Amino acid sequence: SQTIHQWPATLVQPVGSPLSLECTVEGTSNPNLYWYRQAAGRGLQLLFYSVGIGQISSEVPQNLSASRPQDRQFILSSKKLLLSDSGFYLCAWSVTQGARETQYFGPGTRLLVL
Amino acid sequence: KQEVTQIPAALSVPEGENLVLNCSFTDSAIYNLQWFRQDPGKGLTSLLLIQSSQREQTSGRLNASLDKSSGRSTLYIAASQPGDSATYLCAVKPYGQNFVFGPGTRLSVLP
Repeated sequence: SQTIHQWPATLVQPVGSPLSLECTVEGTSNPNLYWYRQAAGRGLQLLFYSVGIGQISSEVPQNLSASRPQDRQFILSSKKLLLSDSGFYLCAWSVTQGARETQYFGPGTRLLVL
Repeated sequence: KQEVTQIPAALSVPEGENLVLNCSFTDSAIYNLQWFRQDPGKGLTSLLLIQSSQREQTSGRLNASLDKSSGRSTLYIAASQPGDSATYLCAVKPYGQNFVFGPGTRLSVLP
């Protein structure tokens, strides 16, 4: 069966520090991968998605970046965190089967920037 | 641009009640619609997926319906339990676009 891992689960970082969040998927090949952010009391905001190794699409301009060095690994990074980067970061994967695409989520990383 | 709304934003019911959560989307050109559950501080758990050619899907006490032409889906929860308390989100997969999520309905089932 497929599983998705995210780490760390919780992170407290000072403003201006770098960030690296990691997501790995097991049990599937060539998944579409996604990074979302969920701010307190707000909906899901799609940040990045990837359809293959090295292929990254950004949905919103910001000081975050994403990379996909391996088929089932997706990394979210920042060189200098801002206060507004605080939130709950969710990694997800999906696979298309015919006309059906189902999305599955990881457990999330809670980031607090102070 | 596809937009998804959910009504109500929050709902509180006594245990045992049957309830309906609503999801509306503006563009009927979708592949499928998916309902999720999110517990506080946790990721999203997939509950049901309805393909555009389907009218409904059932899983245990949950039943989701889809009326693509009117841009609506409902999630019916039968005999609600305190363990059903969570935020429920719907998401559509439009043609040529990424998933679009609704803001969610926060459900509280009181014992």
